[in-house]
Amino acid sequence: GENVEQHPSTLSVQEGDSAVIKCTYSDSASNYFPWYKQELGKRPQLIIDIRSNVGEKKDQRIAVTLNKTAKHFSLHITETQPEDSAVYFCAAGVGGSYIPTFGRGTSLIVHP
Amino acid sequence: EAGVAQSPRYKIIEKRQSVAFWCNPISGHATLYWYQQILGQGPKLLIQFQNNGVVDDSQLPKDRFSAERLKGVDSTLKIQPAKLEDSAVYLCASSYTRGAQETQYFGPGTRLLVL
Repeated sequence: GENVEQHPSTLSVQEGDSAVIKCTYSDSASNYFPWYKQELGKRPQLIIDIRSNVGEKKDQRIAVTLNKTAKHFSLHITETQPEDSAVYFCAAGVGGSYIPTFGRGTSLIVHP
Repeated sequence: EAGVAQSPRYKIIEKRQSVAFWCNPISGHATLYWYQQILGQGPKLLIQFQNNGVVDDSQLPKDRFSAERLKGVDSTLKIQPAKLEDSAVYLCASSYTRGAQETQYFGPGTRLLVL
C-alpha cells in the first residue's frame, strides 16, 4: 500500500517568512495529492491539491509543487501570518477511486 | 451547502463498553470514509464506502469495529468492546468524483475517550 512521509513534524517561523513542508510517497500509481489544514479542535479542511498532470499550482499565498520522478510534493506558504498557525497534512491517492493515505502532519507556528 | 454531519460530538465510556457514531454525508456524495485520528497523528482510514458497498476496510480492526451504510447515505461506526487505545477523534468524510477529480470534505468529528 501507499506510504506517505511528511517533514518536518514542527515548523516555527516569524510572521512574514516563508514556510515549506515536504512529503514523499511510495506508490507510483498515486496521482492526486491534497493538502489539509487542521486548526486545534477542528476538522481538516482542504486548502490546495495537485494532480500528476501538473508540476505546480498556486492559490494566493500558497503553492504546491510535485515531482513525480522523485515521488515528492511540497507545500509552500509565503508571507506567513499568525492565522496560518495550524497542523498541515499531506495525502496521496489515486483520483477517481480515491483511497487516501495521510502524512503524520506538520505543526506550523507563526510568531507575530 | 450543508456539510458533513456527525454525532455525538463527544463521548466518554469505560473500556469494554460499546459505542456507536453516526455520520450524514453531503447530499449527493457517493463516497463516505471513516477515519481514526489519534492525538498528534494524521487521520488513518478505517473504512471507505462507495454508495452502500465497501471499497476498502483493510485497516478496520474487524474483531471490535464494524460499520455500515445500508441505504447508501448515512453511516454508523460501532466499537464493541472498546479498549483504552481506541481513544481518538473519529472523522467522517464524504466526497464526490467529477471525472477523475475527487474532492473530500470532513465532518467535525466525534471525540471518544475510553477510561
